[in-house]
Amino acid sequence: QSALTQEASVSGTVGQKVTLSCTGNSINIGSFAVGWYQQISHSAPKTVMFGDSLPSGIPDRFSGSKSGTTASLTISGLQPEDEGDYYCSTWDYSLSAQVFGGGTKLTVL
Amino acid sequence: EVQLIQSGTEVKKPGTTVKISCKISGYTFTDYFIHWVQQAPGKGLEWMGLVDPEDGEPVYAEKFQGRVTITADTSTDTAYMELTSLRSEDTAVYYCARGEAERPFDYWGQGTLVTVSS
Repeated sequence: QSALTQEASVSGTVGQKVTLSCTGNSINIGSFAVGWYQQISHSAPKTVMFGDSLPSGIPDRFSGSKSGTTASLTISGLQPEDEGDYYCSTWDYSLSAQVFGGGTKLTVL
Repeated sequence: EVQLIQSGTEVKKPGTTVKISCKISGYTFTDYFIHWVQQAPGKGLEWMGLVDPEDGEPVYAEKFQGRVTITADTSTDTAYMELTSLRSEDTAVYYCARGEAERPFDYWGQGTLVTVSS
């Protein structure tokens, strides 16, 4: 069982806005920056959101936010190439470890 | 350009040891931690541990404590992950990733497949 909770699957149509969530607690998401990682067809993960920052080369249709113990990744204007698995992670103060969510499979219909 | 280049595919027998390398370029090695992440077939990402190349101090996940050793060689800007007493459940792709203290990862290596089979 993962320390962070993500939806198992989310789907949307091309051009739609979708939001993926990542829920933790006060000693992980509530206290530390969250990263979001895209993994397409079992290739290496790619960071699409890093705290409040959009990494270089990532389209600005990706945005991130955090409220209390839940982080969100929003994709505005969904594209076919966005289909894949998305993972969130953050530091956990109690475990002294980086913890991951179980991942969300995003399907573009 | 920041790059993390990992060593190639490994096939190991149960009970043996594997050591994977992660050579960085494009930034100062000692400015960032190197993390290692395991992904078993069809499964999600699992953090194994990290090393601070500045002082070589490692931190390990409880699950891998006692079997994993993560080191950093500042003379070659290379981090290593050694996993001992290999079993079939260790068959996975292993990634190195860069990050600052208590921060998420910003760059990833390409992954190294380790297959454990008799």
